[in-house]
Amino acid sequence: DQQVKQNSPSLSVQEGRISILNCDYTNSMFDYFLWYKKYPAEGPTFLISISSIKDKNEDGRFTVFLNKSAKHLSLHIVPSQPGDSAVYFCAASVSGNEKLTFGTGTRLTIIP
Amino acid sequence: NAGVMQNPRHLVRRRGQEARLRCSPMKGHSHVYWYRQLPEEGLKFMVYLQKENIIDESGMPKERFSAEFPKEGPSILRIQQVVRGDSAAYFCASSPPKGSRSYEQYFGPGTRLTVT
Repeated sequence: DQQVKQNSPSLSVQEGRISILNCDYTNSMFDYFLWYKKYPAEGPTFLISISSIKDKNEDGRFTVFLNKSAKHLSLHIVPSQPGDSAVYFCAASVSGNEKLTFGTGTRLTIIP
Repeated sequence: NAGVMQNPRHLVRRRGQEARLRCSPMKGHSHVYWYRQLPEEGLKFMVYLQKENIIDESGMPKERFSAEFPKEGPSILRIQQVVRGDSAAYFCASSPPKGSRSYEQYFGPGTRLTVT
């Protein structure tokens, strides 16, 4: 049972434009969400997170939006840069239970 | 400030051998997590430990797998009698004590286990 879903396995975006990565979840107990970026042969790198008491969190070029009623979150990267090419994982957790449940990832390619 | 350290980075074992994977958390972090990533899949939680305690092992296979985080030294993930299906990337993560943004976990580079 895949509780966190990233339905787009890949995405290509022109350099300088906005990249939007999507994530859906089914478990209504999830109340904390994170995005990780992963390069080949490296571990995931934490990017940005959001608590369920918020609907938006911004950090530089990265913004995460949370729509609790739709059980949907998205990561916006603007402007997109070549170094953003990587696999992006969405993850979720339940407060008090610290294990992370990951999606299957979206491979983002930024076209120069 | 060194990040999460894992060794070895690559490990090759024959079927039936034992695999030991080591993880040293970030300085000041007292929580350690192990995840496994199979090819073309996301990371799957295996076990969560604090010093000398297993807090949640709900993702660990019932047999052949064990984990520890002793008072001194790194956390160890041990796989006995490895089989081909154990071939995967194993990632360790750490986080600070509770009350200190502990939901953000910081990952090591992973150990790629190949069973021949």
